[in-house]
Amino acid sequence: QVQLQESGPRLVKPSETLSLICSVSGGSISTYYWSWTRQPPGKGLEWIGHIYYSGSTNYNPSLKSRVTISVDTSKNQFSLKLSSVTAADTAVYYCARDVGTNYGMDVWGQGTTVTVSS
Amino acid sequence: QSVLTQPPSASGTPGQRVTISCSGSSSNIGSNYVYWYQQLPGSAPKLLMYRNDQRPSGVPDRFSGSKSGTSASLAISGLRSEDEADYYCAAWDDSLRNWVFGGGTKLTVL
Repeated sequence: QVQLQESGPRLVKPSETLSLICSVSGGSISTYYWSWTRQPPGKGLEWIGHIYYSGSTNYNPSLKSRVTISVDTSKNQFSLKLSSVTAADTAVYYCARDVGTNYGMDVWGQGTTVTVSS
Repeated sequence: QSVLTQPPSASGTPGQRVTISCSGSSSNIGSNYVYWYQQLPGSAPKLLMYRNDQRPSGVPDRFSGSKSGTSASLAISGLRSEDEADYYCAAWDDSLRNWVFGGGTKLTVL
């Protein structure tokens, strides 16, 4: 049973870089895509981007200039970096296994709340 | 503003059947599968329906999905109090090359 767990700082200052890691257990990361999605307080889901285990990525065009997603197959982890954050980036950040356009995002982490504030 | 359009709210009484609609375009729903996610209060989203009308293991058959053209819908029959949650539709968008979501529908069981 694959499980995902997000980790990283819960508080980030404006203009700095938000960094999160998603640790994958119960299965290998060397298959499928791996996604990040966020949810601002009281709002809906916004897909940030995903990475294939080989390293190829797709990003949400609205965030593309600030986002980097990378994968470390040796640690069975993938990570998210979002630069130049503002209060609008305050959200719950979820990582998920992304089995592609035939099966969707089928396993999700519990989410981690990141607040952008000085 | 979300790429996919859902009604913000829906409601029903226990035992009733409710449907939630999701409208998109030719670049997303019109050319790709639709997915539905259930988000219980304070929890992460959970995959409820994949490939338009397929239920993952463990999802009750009270839940059903359908798609026609650039629209899709989720139906819940025999409504139960534990179905009270937010429901999101999603699809891959070929033009944007990303997953797009609906704005979510808050289902209230009266």
